Amino acid sequence: DTAVSQTPKYLVTQMGNDKSIKCEQNLGHDTMYWYKQDSKKFLKIMFSYNNKELIINETVPNRFSPKSPDKAHLNLHINSLELGDSAVYFCASSQPQGTLAYNEQFFGPGTRLTVL
Amino acid sequence: QKEVEQDPGPLSVPEGAIVSLNCTYSNSAFQYFMWYRQYSRKGPELLMYTYSSGNKEDGRFTAQVDKSSKYISLFIRDSQPSDSATYLCAMTKMAGGGNKLTFGTGTQLKVEL
Repeated sequence: DTAVSQTPKYLVTQMGNDKSIKCEQNLGHDTMYWYKQDSKKFLKIMFSYNNKELIINETVPNRFSPKSPDKAHLNLHINSLELGDSAVYFCASSQPQGTLAYNEQFFGPGTRLTVL
Repeated sequence: QKEVEQDPGPLSVPEGAIVSLNCTYSNSAFQYFMWYRQYSRKGPELLMYTYSSGNKEDGRFTAQVDKSSKYISLFIRDSQPSDSATYLCAMTKMAGGGNKLTFGTGTQLKVEL
């Protein structure tokens, strides 16, 4: 299946822990993103990578560190988790920059993070 | 004030009704406009994508953009229970250059039998 996949689907952890979320896309896209969706369904971009290079870095605490080992993978590592980090995290990907299709983003199923 | 405003609903309609979903925005630099549908506990999926002002039709769905009023709409004809989902509008300034999508908060739609 061609898609954007994320692991794990659910993540329950204690405050102060460090955790990682992994994302993979097999759509052949160059650009990948991390979004955070809060309890009110508001979806906000956190980071974007184009071909392993960071191109968007929104105002996100530096406890969040993305890493792109290759253009098909984008991982998100979170240090010292806080209660306010509880949310659904979505990975997305899109076609190369400079194409109209660049703005069409394909989303993964999400990782539901609960910090206790 | 958020850059993109969207009535959160919930909006409940009977099956077969015409549904109108709307977003307003404040940044006149937005040129590309999208509607995403998100089912419960799933990721958003792209439904409609339009550039600048005008209409675009795809089956039962019509997207309208009025840049002069900074207002976009999504119409769903002959609504079905399977259309029950949250609809998110999204917009961006231009293709390329590391642009980001700015989303509305989503409107929850329920189509009842």
